[in-house]
Amino acid sequence: RKEVEQDPGPFNVPEGATVAFNCTYSNSASQSFFWYRQDCRKEPKLLMSVYSSGNEDGRFTAQLNRASQYISLLIRDSKLSDSATYLCVVFSGAGSYQLTFGKGTKLSVIP
Amino acid sequence: DAGITQSPRHKVTETGTPVTLRCHQTENHRYMYWYRQDPGHGLRLIHYSYGVKDTDKGEVSDGYSVSRSKTEDFLLTLESATSSQTSVYFCAISVHGDTGELFFGEGSRLTVL
Repeated sequence: RKEVEQDPGPFNVPEGATVAFNCTYSNSASQSFFWYRQDCRKEPKLLMSVYSSGNEDGRFTAQLNRASQYISLLIRDSKLSDSATYLCVVFSGAGSYQLTFGKGTKLSVIP
Repeated sequence: DAGITQSPRHKVTETGTPVTLRCHQTENHRYMYWYRQDPGHGLRLIHYSYGVKDTDKGEVSDGYSVSRSKTEDFLLTLESATSSQTSVYFCAISVHGDTGELFFGEGSRLTVL
């Protein structure tokens, strides 16, 4: 069974802190990787794609380690508005549509 | 805003009744998806569509059917609702072809009593 595993948290961090989430995946044939953000009782929204070389978008940095089959998301200088659940998503693209969502990691940024 | 609307947004129904959820998009994207989200589970794919009248089953398709007679509408039907189908249902579209970059509707919260 293809799986995506995440620490469910919650991660409770003070404003301004740096926090990192990891995600592991079991399907070595996976092709694309993403982080989504989901606010309470809202729809998931794409936060960023994860590229092999790693990528950064403002305070957010995503990295991929194919050899160890994990993805990470680093958030620097946490804001109250970063409080949400972060979903790790893996796309195998093999045959029929294969997009696997992790169960999410909950982040609470505290004043 | 990817122009996705779901209806109804909330529905309470009784076991054994049929239920249809509608997903409407305004931008003629080819790929559309229905997911359900439950506590303790990641989002799980129910059915997806890659064009008018072209649909396929996802991971948890039992008890659900879909139809796509127009590009803009993707309907999810529960022929005879059961309590295990109480969930939040999300419709999604893929803007850049069949990739993992999805845009979701606001969700439809269904309660089956």
